[in-house]
Amino acid sequence: EPEVTQTPSHQVTQMGQEVILRCVPISNHLYFYWYRQILGQKVEFLVSFYNNEISEKSEIFDDQFSVERPDGSNFTLKIRSTKLEDSAMYFCASREPMRGGYQETQYFGPGTRLLVL
Amino acid sequence: GEDVEQSLFLSVREGDSSVINCTYTDSSSTYLYWYKQEPGAGLQLLTYIFSNMDMKQDQRLTVLLNKKDKHLSLRIADTQTGDSAIYFCAESNAGNMLTFGGGTRLMVKP
Repeated sequence: EPEVTQTPSHQVTQMGQEVILRCVPISNHLYFYWYRQILGQKVEFLVSFYNNEISEKSEIFDDQFSVERPDGSNFTLKIRSTKLEDSAMYFCASREPMRGGYQETQYFGPGTRLLVL
Repeated sequence: GEDVEQSLFLSVREGDSSVINCTYTDSSSTYLYWYKQEPGAGLQLLTYIFSNMDMKQDQRLTVLLNKKDKHLSLRIADTQTGDSAIYFCAESNAGNMLTFGGGTRLMVKP
């Protein structure tokens, strides 16, 4: 069964460094998402991406964050200058286009655990 | 903004039924979901229900939706030790971002 994959599974970085989290969505999906889950807190929406542009973003997704689909398969989340509070599990998700007026469900990757020291 | 709330913890005995409850505030929710997260793993979609439905059954899983009270529940029949995990309720509307509850940790005792 097709699945969303994410690399790396774990990343440790120093405060102020740039990190890039990578995701390979399911191949026929056209909508892509990033969510994060700080330890002990709810899963929070960060950004959605469609047709090579951001379609929606949350307050969390400030200028330090950016997303890109550099080729036909990868979807990346970049954090330019990491802060301690960026430590979290980051989940990528993808879904198919709507069909017959029904929104298709989002499928999640296993996550990247980011630790900022 | 929208909010989704769940109880933190549920403990049941193997073979019993589990009922995990969720409440939400967004009256324009169109889809409601249940995801399962096992230790160290990602979010696995279990089932979902469209807002014009009251009930959906899928093998051991039964989802009940009370739109008037904005209450969603997930019933797991014949709960097994392998069902031990955190269960997240989530909702979406036309904006398609998911809003998650805090998760309910289900512990199944043998």
